[in-house]
Amino acid sequence: NAGVMQNPRHLVRRRGQEARLRCSPMKGHSHVYWYRQLPEEGLKFMVYLQKENIIDESGMPKERFSAEFPKEGPSILRIQQVVRGDSAAYFCASSLGTGDYGYTFGSGTRLTVV
Amino acid sequence: AQKVTQAQTEISVVEKEDVTLDCVYETRDTTYYLFWYKQPPSGELVFLIRRNSFDEQNEISGRYSWNFQKSTSSFNFTITASQVVDSAVYFCALSEARNTDKLIFGTGTRLQVFP
Repeated sequence: NAGVMQNPRHLVRRRGQEARLRCSPMKGHSHVYWYRQLPEEGLKFMVYLQKENIIDESGMPKERFSAEFPKEGPSILRIQQVVRGDSAAYFCASSLGTGDYGYTFGSGTRLTVV
Repeated sequence: AQKVTQAQTEISVVEKEDVTLDCVYETRDTTYYLFWYKQPPSGELVFLIRRNSFDEQNEISGRYSWNFQKSTSSFNFTITASQVVDSAVYFCALSEARNTDKLIFGTGTRLQVFP
């Protein structure tokens, strides 16, 4: 039973390019969370999705960032026209539901914008 | 508002010393969960413990122990007889049942254990 799979593990993009980060939740998990960790900082919540729905995007930057979790396939965090300040580790977590359920984190994608 | 404070930015100890990492939280919710995660130099997040707000019993797991005190809104983590492999950044986090369960993380405490 594989855990939360994130790919790629490392991603390098030039300024202005697009970055696509993928997250496959644990089998049976329909809740996905994305977090960002800037260098030398803690993790900050970005967005919470259930299948085909964005439930809470209060932590998402208003521009250039979007997320989806389609009926089939992984959740995607998309960053358009990346800038140096987007360089960070992006973590995905999944759970069975809200309430008394545990979280499982992926290993993260480290984005470097050059 | 919800908040997690880890006042200790960095702690250095020598192997076999005991060390306590502090965590203080703020929440208006009566149902919430507290977590500790370890982030070793390799970067992944390792889950250590989850505790719900109705369970104030202290927990011990091997060399690790946790002291949850609602009266002081603290959830401290103690490593007994520290080892070099314990060197990592440790994060305390809070989630509220009424707030979609998103995690609010503290800024982390970097623990360095020297041989």
